[in-house]
Amino acid sequence: SQQGEEDPQALSIQEGENATMNCSYKTSINNLQWYRQNSGRGLVHLILIRSNEREKHSGRLRVTLDTSKKSSSLLITASRAADTASYFCATSASGGYNKLIFGAGTRLAVHP
Amino acid sequence: DTGVSQDPRHKITKRGQNVTFRCDPISEHNRLYWYRQTLGQGPEFLTYFQNEAQLEKSRLLSDRFSAERPKGSFSTLEIQRTEQGDSAMYLCASSSRQEGNIQYFGAGTRLSVL
Repeated sequence: SQQGEEDPQALSIQEGENATMNCSYKTSINNLQWYRQNSGRGLVHLILIRSNEREKHSGRLRVTLDTSKKSSSLLITASRAADTASYFCATSASGGYNKLIFGAGTRLAVHP
Repeated sequence: DTGVSQDPRHKITKRGQNVTFRCDPISEHNRLYWYRQTLGQGPEFLTYFQNEAQLEKSRLLSDRFSAERPKGSFSTLEIQRTEQGDSAMYLCASSSRQEGNIQYFGAGTRLSVL
């Protein structure tokens, strides 16, 4: 079964607005990653945050991690129509062989 | 193209037939993963190879499923006696020790079992 839960399941916004997606997980982790998937395609890595980090930025992306609440958030600022995709958080457990445990994803639609 | 490649992209088969998928990872990556994704869900881990050794298998990988990575390069995933419940997207990913567990995914093989 999947570990993570994303919230919301779907998000619809206008270009230029910010999009925030949340992820919760259940067990101790080594790190947490966010991936993007365009319809019917493979996943693309966006950003990784380690368990000892609280916030990380990459371009228009900002990720936060709260290990006490076992949650993370992904903020996309100034969204573009090209950001339309599904976004998944994925966790990697300590001591494992780095397999990723994915949530069910947030489907983001950005309208021009 | 130096990314992860999967073949075929689409496979339609009848129930009870055997199917085999191939994954070619990024050449310098020694770690290779298989995942399965059904509509509206995130990928679920199936199995993991480090070089040619299969180090972990999910309980999702029933005895009808077998994966190999004979020379530590490409990998194959075979499903025997396919069932309608096997219909899904099968994703392959690879990673290198240097990048930790950032995984690079192929475009996937979409299997439809009729």
